[in-house]
Amino acid sequence: AQTVTQSQPEMSVQEAETVTLSCTYDTSESDYYLFWYKQPPSRQMILVIRQEAYKQQNATENRFSVNFQKAAKSFSLKISDSQLGDAAMYFCACKIYGNKLVFGAGTILRVKS
Amino acid sequence: NAGVTQTPKFQVLKTGQSMTLQCAQDMNHNSMYWYRQDPGMGLRLIYYSASEGTTDKGEVPNGYNVSRLNKREFSLRLESAAPSQTSVYFCASSEREGSNTEAFFGQGTRLTVV
Repeated sequence: AQTVTQSQPEMSVQEAETVTLSCTYDTSESDYYLFWYKQPPSRQMILVIRQEAYKQQNATENRFSVNFQKAAKSFSLKISDSQLGDAAMYFCACKIYGNKLVFGAGTILRVKS
Repeated sequence: NAGVTQTPKFQVLKTGQSMTLQCAQDMNHNSMYWYRQDPGMGLRLIYYSASEGTTDKGEVPNGYNVSRLNKREFSLRLESAAPSQTSVYFCASSEREGSNTEAFFGQGTRLTVV
């Protein structure tokens, strides 16, 4: 079975500081893709960053970067220079070759000014 | 482009009633999904369709049926609604198998079963 676990229901960070959100996954597939999505109060789902499992290099998108540890099946998201607009629910997701896409339970990120 | 369109946006049902949630995408995507979102549970996959003509169960399929009507449309049916099916439902679509393209989501349907 394909599972995604986010062990932090809620996190807080001070504006301009750095925060890391954790995610572990489990799949028997060798080819898969990992994603982080952001969901603000509007309920819109916004892609933050993606990672192909076959790539060793960690993905980076501006202030967002991942720490991808394939052997440990870990895929954490680091947000640098946190901004008030980063406050949202963050979901980690895993997609296997058959296009089955599974999400974790989410982490609420609060940003303090 | 509209992207992924879900209807309705809100619905209240009585226990035992049936209804169909409609979803259509205009991005020529092969795969479509139905999720439910509940507090503390995240997004749970109900059913998905990897390509036109195929459907597969996800994590929580009980009480639901789906139809991939054509490449554009993927509907979710509740035959006999139960209060446990009160949730926010999302439809999503993504490109072909084996790609790293992300899923695109509809705006969600808030369903309340009383």
